[in-house]
Amino acid sequence: DAGVIQSPRHEVTEMGQEVTLRCKPISGHDYLFWYRQTMMRGLELLIYFNNNVPIDDSGMPEDRFSAKMPNASFSTLKIQPSEPRDSAVYFCASIKLYGKNTGELFFGEGSRLTVL
Amino acid sequence: GQQLNQSPQSMFIQEGEDVSMNCTSSSIFNTWLWYKQDPGEGPVLLIALYKAGELTSNGRLTAQFGITRKDSFLNISASIPSDVGIYFCATPGDGNQFYFGTGTSLTVIP
Repeated sequence: DAGVIQSPRHEVTEMGQEVTLRCKPISGHDYLFWYRQTMMRGLELLIYFNNNVPIDDSGMPEDRFSAKMPNASFSTLKIQPSEPRDSAVYFCASIKLYGKNTGELFFGEGSRLTVL
Repeated sequence: GQQLNQSPQSMFIQEGEDVSMNCTSSSIFNTWLWYKQDPGEGPVLLIALYKAGELTSNGRLTAQFGITRKDSFLNISASIPSDVGIYFCATPGDGNQFYFGTGTSLTVIP
């Protein structure tokens, strides 16, 4: 089975440009997460969805960041306008939660963003 | 979000040595997870713990869910070069937010 698929794997852009990161979760998973990883702040949860509905976006840094999940198989994270401090690796992850125990959170390979 | 503190922050060890790392929180959790991140990849689940006091093994890896439910420990026995990476503890919050710890970076010297 295909895992979580993210694109692009690498993006280099100039300050002020719009950046769109894409994610296809594993089929059948009902939760989708966006994380940002930097050396300074580690893995930060930005936002997560349940059945395509945003549940908690308190981790989104500011209004320049937005995320959507128009259907169960696709999500985007958009940064507009981008700034150098947005440079990081952005991960998408998905999971199917059931019962009392937690299932496995599957990560994509990440999108490495560099804003010049 | 929740603060999960991991120690040590980094480790440099000789191949064959055992490794111990831990994760602590000020809050009580019902689930502790340990992930490993290889360079250039996303984290991958190693071990999941669901019960206070639980001790679970996965090959050379052993993890324990602390009795207080505020901490967890991961041990790697007889380390090998492919153990290199960043190890994260994680836990789902009350709303399944999946918070991750600060990470322990492991370097194994052949």
